[in-house]
Amino acid sequence: GDSVTQMEGPVTLSEEAFLTINCTYTATGYPSLFWYVQYPGEGLQLLLKATKADDKGSNKGFEATYRKETTSFHLEKGSVQVSDSAVYFCALSDKSGGYQKVTFGTGTKLQVIP
Amino acid sequence: DAGVIQSPRHEVTEMGQEVTLRCKPISGHDYLFWYRQTMMRGLELLIYFNNNVPIDDSGMPEDRFSAKMPNASFSTLKIQPSEPRDSAVYFCASSLTVAVETQYFGPGTRLLVL
Repeated sequence: GDSVTQMEGPVTLSEEAFLTINCTYTATGYPSLFWYVQYPGEGLQLLLKATKADDKGSNKGFEATYRKETTSFHLEKGSVQVSDSAVYFCALSDKSGGYQKVTFGTGTKLQVIP
Repeated sequence: DAGVIQSPRHEVTEMGQEVTLRCKPISGHDYLFWYRQTMMRGLELLIYFNNNVPIDDSGMPEDRFSAKMPNASFSTLKIQPSEPRDSAVYFCASSLTVAVETQYFGPGTRLLVL
């Protein structure tokens, strides 16, 4: 079945550091890929998405490129801020049995210190 | 709009007790999803409804779990009897379409079974 593997956290960075959170996937079809962010005490919010190979999703300074050859969708940001501290989830969406199924990674906690 | 509303926000109960989690989706959303989030397994889709009808319940862990949607503005997730391994954060989400990127998540219910 489909699966998503994320790097384990927590990731601790100083403000303005470069961020990479790795994500790889396995899927039987041609999935869409997503990054979600969860701030403390809140539900998940969509951060960015990519629907086909070589697409780059971007939002709020974050970006990720859909790499079919390496089955990866790594999240990057050039300069993190304290307000970026949250848990980040990689996810894929695929059709299985005619229904849309979504698979989430286990999440990576990011802590940004001033 | 108030967004997706979940109650209670926190629940502590003893093993063997019945637990009922509640969700009010965003008005006009035809899809409603229940997720469970744990440290070990991350975020898992339990079940989703379309127009109050359960479409895919393959993620429901066992017969102790049941979900209903008696009308377009209310859904429940029930665990009977509860066990310590059911301790998790349970999220409800709603959307206009089945696509995961259109889902709005509620703040979650943190359940602790002693």
